[in-house]
Amino acid sequence: DSGVTQTPKHLITATGQRVTLRCSPRSGDLSVYWYQQSLDQGLQFLIQYYNGEERAKGNILERFSAQQFPDLHSELNLSSLELGDSALYFCASSEGLAGIEQYFGPGTRLTVT
Amino acid sequence: DQQVKQNSPSLSVQEGRISILNCDYTNSMFDYFLWYKKYPAEGPTFLISISSIKDKNEDGRFTVFLNKSAKHLSLHIVPSQPGDSAVYFCAASAPLIDGANSKLTFGKGITLSVRP
Repeated sequence: DSGVTQTPKHLITATGQRVTLRCSPRSGDLSVYWYQQSLDQGLQFLIQYYNGEERAKGNILERFSAQQFPDLHSELNLSSLELGDSALYFCASSEGLAGIEQYFGPGTRLTVT
Repeated sequence: DQQVKQNSPSLSVQEGRISILNCDYTNSMFDYFLWYKKYPAEGPTFLISISSIKDKNEDGRFTVFLNKSAKHLSLHIVPSQPGDSAVYFCAASAPLIDGANSKLTFGKGITLSVRP
């Protein structure tokens, strides 16, 4: 158990809909990272938050947004969903800004039908 | 453009033998490399790492070798055990610039199967 929790585990929704994925980092970790793993793809970095502020952006679509709250949990919002958004979404956390060793949650499997 | 490449999608080895998982990278700014292991229905877990100032790091049955000139690293598992069967991801990190970026760049992963 990494100490990182993600909800829900599975999510099935229709195209055009909006969903919110939630992540609680390990106790004491200030950085939260979001990754997307599509079929046959590695983990693609989406975005990082550190202590409530956005710190780094990767290949995140404009339809996607995230935030980190004062209690350090984070939410990833996916809107106008398309079939290609079906993927595993992982959250990871690290203690500091330089998240060399990141601890991953179990992931949320999103299926868009 | 895939900056971290794991060209072999799968590897099968006999229990007790050595498993060698390879990884190549193209970005010369990468200075820290990690291997993560992932079981089905779980998130990746950190396994072992190596800094670019070293060429070898060992932790029990796991050893990572780094060849900077070839931009190549490998993970050796000796002896391999059935419980090692998982997907292994190679990841790399570039140094921080003003603390602005600490993302990891991952390869696509290698599925290791250890036969009893």
